[in-house]
Amino acid sequence: QVQLQESGPGLLKPSETLSLTCTVSGGSISRYYWSWIRQPPGKGLEWIGYIYYSGSTRYNPSLESRVTVSLDTSKNQFSLNLRSVTAADTAVYYCARGVYTGRVFFDYWGQGTLVTFSP
Amino acid sequence: QLVLTQSPSASSSLGASVNLTCTLSSGHSTYAIAWHQQRPEKGPRYLMKVNSDGSHSKGDGIPARFSGSSSGTERYLTISSLQSEDEADYYCQTWGTGIVVFGGGTKLTVL
Repeated sequence: QVQLQESGPGLLKPSETLSLTCTVSGGSISRYYWSWIRQPPGKGLEWIGYIYYSGSTRYNPSLESRVTVSLDTSKNQFSLNLRSVTAADTAVYYCARGVYTGRVFFDYWGQGTLVTFSP
Repeated sequence: QLVLTQSPSASSSLGASVNLTCTLSSGHSTYAIAWHQQRPEKGPRYLMKVNSDGSHSKGDGIPARFSGSSSGTERYLTISSLQSEDEADYYCQTWGTGIVVFGGGTKLTVL
């Protein structure tokens, strides 16, 4: 059974960089799109970006200038860096596995990690 | 522009059936979508992929009372024999030119 687990600091100050890691277990990291999605409190899902196992990336145009997603195949992990954060970046952050079957769909999700900001 | 539209809310009675709808924007009628369920205070769970021809393929362990279908630009999720645990938010999702798109979600209340 494939499992994904997010980890990283849950409390940040404005202007800092948010760094999260997702550890993948129970399956190979090859041939998938490893993705980050977030959900502000009380709102819907927002796609942040993904990295294909080959290393190519795509990002949400609204966040592209601040986002980097990277992959460490030796550790079966992928990471999110979101720079210059503000209170508007408060959300639960999920990692997910994307599988291509004509289009990319997320078939496994992590449980999510809440990121909030101190004044 | 690729957009997915969902009604904000739906309700149905325990033991009854409900259809949730996800509408693709004009010009995208051949696109497949995925349905994801998010129970309160939980992460999303993949339910199924629904193709433009109405065929669908479900994720691991998804009960038979969940099914999908299509008509034109609409993609449906049907839940039969509703149970209290089905009360959740349901999101549709697709992908176009490398960009992932989510619908706004439908909050399902089981009466």
